[in-house]
Amino acid sequence: DIVMTQAPLSVSVTPGESASISCRSSKSLLHSNGITYVYWYLQKPGKSPQLLIYRMSNLASGVPDRFSGSGSETDFTLKISRVEAEDVGIYYCGQLLENPNTFGAGTKLELK
Amino acid sequence: QVQLKESGPGLVQPSQTLSLTCTVSGFSLMDYSVHWVRQPPGKGLEWMGRMKYDGDTYYNSALKSRLSISRDTSKSQVFLKMNSLQTEDTAIYYCTSHPFAYWGQGTLVTVSS
Repeated sequence: DIVMTQAPLSVSVTPGESASISCRSSKSLLHSNGITYVYWYLQKPGKSPQLLIYRMSNLASGVPDRFSGSGSETDFTLKISRVEAEDVGIYYCGQLLENPNTFGAGTKLELK
Repeated sequence: QVQLKESGPGLVQPSQTLSLTCTVSGFSLMDYSVHWVRQPPGKGLEWMGRMKYDGDTYYNSALKSRLSISRDTSKSQVFLKMNSLQTEDTAIYYCTSHPFAYWGQGTLVTVSS
């Protein structure tokens, strides 16, 4: 199974500042079709996860452009510019390249 | 408007079988796969398996011996059955699609006598 390793496990950010979350996969997530199958999700307290970024760098519908995704074949970053109160929750990376699809352990974002 | 909704018993006794239903609307099960993901209280996400749009199924190897996913396309429903439940199977169970762009609200299943 592909292991997804996130860092840090928690981050505390002052509103208005930026935050970055890292994710590393144990195997390249670059498919032969040129698509990198890493996804980012946010789970707000008491809610279902919501998709933020798909295929490494594509913003999901309705997601503010303060969120962005980047990376290589095995190392990925989610960046949140100008953090707001509504961004609080747990962020997960996940891979859809292979079955079983797997997720990182999550990064908890809190406000200072 | 795409929607998914999980339904099933909130409480299951140890060693018994869990049966959940995911009812979808706004899309056809023959066009999109539906996945099942679970989350133990206070823990992370675990992918369980999926019903592919063409009817094929894929399972997490850790659960494969206990898990079955099926569907009724005429009713827009996907079913999850998992046997030999133990307390560690207590979790919120989600169905999701598109892939993972749309999620149900989740249903809490508690395994307890």
